[in-house]
Amino acid sequence: EIQLQESGPGLVKPSQSLSLTCSVTGYTITSGYDWSWIRKFPGNKMEWMGYISYSGSTNYNPSLKSRISITRDTSKNQFFLQLNSVTTEDTATYYCASPGSGGDYWGQGVMVTVSS
Amino acid sequence: DIVMTQGALPNPVPSGESVSITCRSSKSLLYSDGKTYLNWYLQRPGQSPQLLIYWMSTRASGVSDRFSGSGSGTDFTLKISGVEAEDVGVYYCQQGLEFPFTFGSGTKLEIK
Repeated sequence: EIQLQESGPGLVKPSQSLSLTCSVTGYTITSGYDWSWIRKFPGNKMEWMGYISYSGSTNYNPSLKSRISITRDTSKNQFFLQLNSVTTEDTATYYCASPGSGGDYWGQGVMVTVSS
Repeated sequence: DIVMTQGALPNPVPSGESVSITCRSSKSLLYSDGKTYLNWYLQRPGQSPQLLIYWMSTRASGVSDRFSGSGSGTDFTLKISGVEAEDVGVYYCQQGLEFPFTFGSGTKLEIK
């Protein structure tokens, strides 16, 4: 069974960087699928932030392109989100996921608040 | 970006009633391979989103046949036949045609 688990700080100060880790078990992230970060803002709006493919290529939402980086550590079967220069508008629940028709896998989500 | 627009439901809905949730995309989601790249998700309270329907009308594994999807290239409907308590949550349509993949604003279902 494929499982995803997010980890990282729940509170980040404005202008700092948000860093989250997604640990994947039950499947090797280099074997297939795209591995995404998706966030849900207060009030239900959802945003697909970007993904790293099984081959290591990345694709970022242009709305975030200058601030986002998604990387991976294949030895640990983990992938990461870094979002720079955060503001209060980045307060959201962050999900790592490999969603869609090929298989629908989500972490439980981690709530991140940006506040001083 | 492709804009996804969802309709609302007349909440709360009586248990056992059938409901339809509408979704419209700003661009046709019909691709040259004949598939329409429209997904439906349900996020139950306290849970992560769950895929219900993909390619506009194909039920995901394990999803009840009370859920059905239909539509054209830009107008879509998710029908729930006989709502039950476990159907409570927020429903999202999402386009998978081009990145950035985008979601509708969500449609909340409450049961009476």
